[in-house]
Amino acid sequence: NAGVMQNPRHLVRRRGQEARLRCSPVKGHSHVYWYRQLPEEGLKFMVYLQKENIIDESGMPKERFSAEFPKEGPSILRIQQVVRGDSAAYFCASSPDRTNTEAFFGQGTRLTVV
Amino acid sequence: KNQVEQSPQSLIILEGKNCTLQCNYTVSPFSNLRWYKQDTGRGPVSLTIMTFSENTKSNGRYTATLDADTKQSSLHITASQLSDSASYICVVSTTNNDYKLSFGAGTTVTVRA
Repeated sequence: NAGVMQNPRHLVRRRGQEARLRCSPVKGHSHVYWYRQLPEEGLKFMVYLQKENIIDESGMPKERFSAEFPKEGPSILRIQQVVRGDSAAYFCASSPDRTNTEAFFGQGTRLTVV
Repeated sequence: KNQVEQSPQSLIILEGKNCTLQCNYTVSPFSNLRWYKQDTGRGPVSLTIMTFSENTKSNGRYTATLDADTKQSSLHITASQLSDSASYICVVSTTNNDYKLSFGAGTTVTVRA
């Protein structure tokens, strides 16, 4: 995990609150990917971003979820009005190019909705 | 639908023994297949990556094989150590959307002394 930093590591939110998950990619990487992992399931693609652009958000629910990767600062995955079903581990990966061949993963943010 | 199936779901082995994990996939068109190790509470870490033309690739005590004709891969762990206890995930990418990886659910390996 050469340098992908995610915070917080653990996040507890009550139903209806907002959750903000942050991801700082490896220095020099301009491609960021977000994945969600439910218990006993594989990681599922959510969204692919480059600096200031959303390239593919086909894996992200259209309601309540949004993502950004601004010119400066970390990538943010935002979940509004969280529900219990949003409880999962959210992983961010970064790579130097779109092929994701040299992707490095962060340690994840474990979101618990109570 | 692109799918990646792994077996067994979990296994327990004694320290020093070998084990083999299996991965079958239906992802098409195929670009590459990767094996990741995920320790509990951590993010996946890449072990090997193989393209269509590669049959085997090693990384220390980990050896991965790929049969692109039958769409099967295996990961062999030799002389297991306690630190090998983790989930091992098979991941396949397509040439269509090479960034949109398909993940297996993983095999949980527990190495006991």
